[in-house]
Amino acid sequence: AQKVTQAQTEISVVEKEDVTLDCVYETRDTTYYLFWYKQPPSGELVFLIRRNSFDEQNEISGRYSWNFQKSTSSFNFTITASQVVDSAVYFCALSEETGTASKLTFGTGTRLQVTL
Amino acid sequence: DVKVTQSSRYLVKRTGEKVFLECVQDMDHENMFWYRQDPGLGLRLIYFSYDVKMKEKGDIPEGYSVSREKKERFSLILESASTNQTSMYLCASSYVDSYEQYFGPGTRLTVT
Repeated sequence: AQKVTQAQTEISVVEKEDVTLDCVYETRDTTYYLFWYKQPPSGELVFLIRRNSFDEQNEISGRYSWNFQKSTSSFNFTITASQVVDSAVYFCALSEETGTASKLTFGTGTRLQVTL
Repeated sequence: DVKVTQSSRYLVKRTGEKVFLECVQDMDHENMFWYRQDPGLGLRLIYFSYDVKMKEKGDIPEGYSVSREKKERFSLILESASTNQTSMYLCASSYVDSYEQYFGPGTRLTVT
């Protein structure tokens, strides 16, 4: 069965600190996708990144970077020089092919609090 | 811009009431999903639909039903609301071959 583990329930950092959010997954699929979503206080989940299982290159987008390591089944997310606007709940998700629709299995989320 | 809208941001209902949560998307997506979000449990899939009038149970379908009469609209129904259904409900949609889901703003339902 699919499983996504986000062991960090809550992280608190001071602005400008770097922070890494961990994500570990389990799947029997050979082809799969991994996602990160951000949920700000407004409630709507916002897509951040999608990674497919054949592409282990790290990705950087501004202050955000993602480290995908298939050997350890991890897809970690780092925010460099955090800002107050980064405060949100972050979800990692794993694709699951059901034959009828493409589903996502979500982790339990990590709440990030960035303070001044 | 993809838009997923949900009929209410906040809803308060009494135990035993029938509750309808509506979701509409404007991107002609084939797939639509209903999740509930609870602290410490993340997002759990209730039901999903891959076509008009087609639906499948997710991980926690008990106490819920759904309806998809039109492609753009997916309704979640609580036949007889109970206090343990107090939660945040999120709707999402996606294209048929895409795993990327677009989410609505959520409905925070309180059942008293």
